[in-house]
Amino acid sequence: GESVGLHLPTLSVQEGDNSIINCAYSNSASDYFIWYKQESGKGPQFIIDIRSNMDKRQGQRVTVLLNKTVKHLSLQIAATQPGDSAVYFCAESNQAGTALIFGKGTTLSVSS
Amino acid sequence: DGGITQSPKYLFRKEGQNVTLSCEQNLNHDAMYWYRQDPGQGLRLIYYSQIVNDFQKGDIAEGYSVSREKKESFPLTVTSAQKNPTAFYLCASSMRETGELFFGEGSRLTVL
Repeated sequence: GESVGLHLPTLSVQEGDNSIINCAYSNSASDYFIWYKQESGKGPQFIIDIRSNMDKRQGQRVTVLLNKTVKHLSLQIAATQPGDSAVYFCAESNQAGTALIFGKGTTLSVSS
Repeated sequence: DGGITQSPKYLFRKEGQNVTLSCEQNLNHDAMYWYRQDPGQGLRLIYYSQIVNDFQKGDIAEGYSVSREKKESFPLTVTSAQKNPTAFYLCASSMRETGELFFGEGSRLTVL
């Protein structure tokens, strides 16, 4: 069935390093992808999104890369800060406005 | 400020009782969603509604019910038929034309 997964459940980095969080998806028909950040006990917050007609999109300190050939999505965080510590989820949908399908999340831990 | 409000934030119930979780949004979004999150897990879709007076089952709808009588409100009832209701419940909304979901802060339900 359709699923979105992440390669690693946890990632630990030092403050100032660049972080890369990976996600693999299985539905070739998915055309919209999004990354969320969730802090403990709170709802997920939007980080960045990308549509299937693009392979890269940049935000403030974050970059999302989409490789449709291998159905892979990644989130790059530059100069990681302690405040970036959270669980990161990728999600996909195959039609605008329909429900997103979420992966299981990667816990990012940033040490000073 | 515009946003999504979930209440209550914490809720305890005895086995065999129904409980209703509130979700209200003032973003004028067409679509609303309920997700369930268990520890260390991703978000699983319970129900969603793309328009008033209409809603669809998600992946884990059994034991839950919803209504969408108003555009801004999408309450979720956790019934006694739900065998394992203890979880973190997240409500979200989106414009029909876009994919980004805006989440509330969640409701944590504990069955005693």
